[in-house]
This record gives sequence, C-alpha cells and structure tokens, in this order.
Amino acid sequence: DAGVIQSPRHEVTEMGQEVTLRCKPISGHDYLFWYRQTMMRGLELLIYFNNNVPIDDSGMPEDRFSAKMPNASFSTLKIQPSEPRDSAVYFCASSLGRSTEAFFGQGTRLTVV
Amino acid sequence: KQEVTQIPAALSVPEGENLVLNCSFTDSAIYNLQWFRQDPGKGLTSLLLIQSSQREQTSGRLNASLDKSSGRSTLYIAASQPGDSATYLCAVYAIKAAGNKLTFGGGTRVLVKP
Repeated sequence: DAGVIQSPRHEVTEMGQEVTLRCKPISGHDYLFWYRQTMMRGLELLIYFNNNVPIDDSGMPEDRFSAKMPNASFSTLKIQPSEPRDSAVYFCASSLGRSTEAFFGQGTRLTVV
Repeated sequence: KQEVTQIPAALSVPEGENLVLNCSFTDSAIYNLQWFRQDPGKGLTSLLLIQSSQREQTSGRLNASLDKSSGRSTLYIAASQPGDSATYLCAVYAIKAAGNKLTFGGGTRVLVKP
C-alpha cells in the first residue's frame, strides 16, 4: 500500500476562496483523522471518522470548515471562505481500529493570502 | 481534558551520545501512547506504539517506556547519529470518557551534531 495519500501537497489561495483538501486512507483502515499543525498550536485534531461516519468534530474551528467521507477510500476537508489564519499544514491520518498505530499522510501546506 | 507535555522543546547532542526524550500526560485513562518522528516539511512517521497494558517497546536503537500511573513515557535513542535529527512527538490515545482521540505533545526538536 502506498500509505495515506493527500492532495494537493501545497495550496496557495486568496482570502475568501474555497479550498478543498483531499485524502485517501490506507485500504482497509476504518478510522480517518484530520489534523492541523501550526507553530503556535502544534498538532490539533479537527475531526475523525469511523467507518465513514463523523464521530467527533469538536475540533473544527468554525462553520467555515466542513469534512466529508463519502466512502471508505476518500475524504475531503473544505474551508469556505478561507482566511489568512487558516494557513497551516493539514494532515490526514488513518488507522485500523481505535487503539492501533496511526499512519499519517505527507500533509497539505495551505497558505491563504 | 488530556494534556501532553514534552520537555525539553529542543535538544542538541554530539553524535554517539544517547538521547532521552520525555513525555508526560495528565490523564492516565489511555488506550496507548505513540511516538512519532517528523522531519522538516514532512509528515509524521510512527516509531513505536505502546499499549496501555505494556511497560515498554523496542525497535532497533529505540526503546520507549510507559508508566501510566505517573503519566510518563520516555523515548531512548541509543548511540545517536546525525540522521536522527528531527522533531519527535508523543501522542496519547485517550479512552472514550476522556475524549476518545489522539492528543499530541508539542514535540522535542533534536539536533545530533557530527
């Protein structure tokens, strides 16, 4: 397996634009996590899914953020409208079961200007 | 609320010296603790996972211990090499009543000087 795949690797967008980040988890994994990493706040869990169902979205900062998982092999994180303070690296991770090793993608570096 | 702390935030050692990285957490109700490595501009690579019932895990030059009752874990890297330079993060997976999610520490940035 190629691991967790995220796209794009880098995204630069203007304030107010819609941004969509994509993630393909490892095949067979039933948990998927979205994290945000900044220098100030470190790694923060935004939302996670179990068997494609959102379980905890308490980390989603605002209504501008939304996440979907239409099937077991694909998830999106959308920001609409984007703001400069959303600039960060966004990671997707997956695991098989709740208490097993989590595997991370390479991340999407988002810059909102 | 689970809080994870890693001290020091940065560490510099000469090549060959053993590394000792510390992680502490406030709530002992965890499923497991995981250590990750992150290189600049890259994602996280899992190093070791210790289940709550275990006391330690070993992989090559890496050894991680877990003392759940005191809320501490230590990652030992023997005979450090310049290639070990990276940021090391620990993360604890809290049980459902404590949030049922993986919480990360701030990381320790390690520099191994040749």
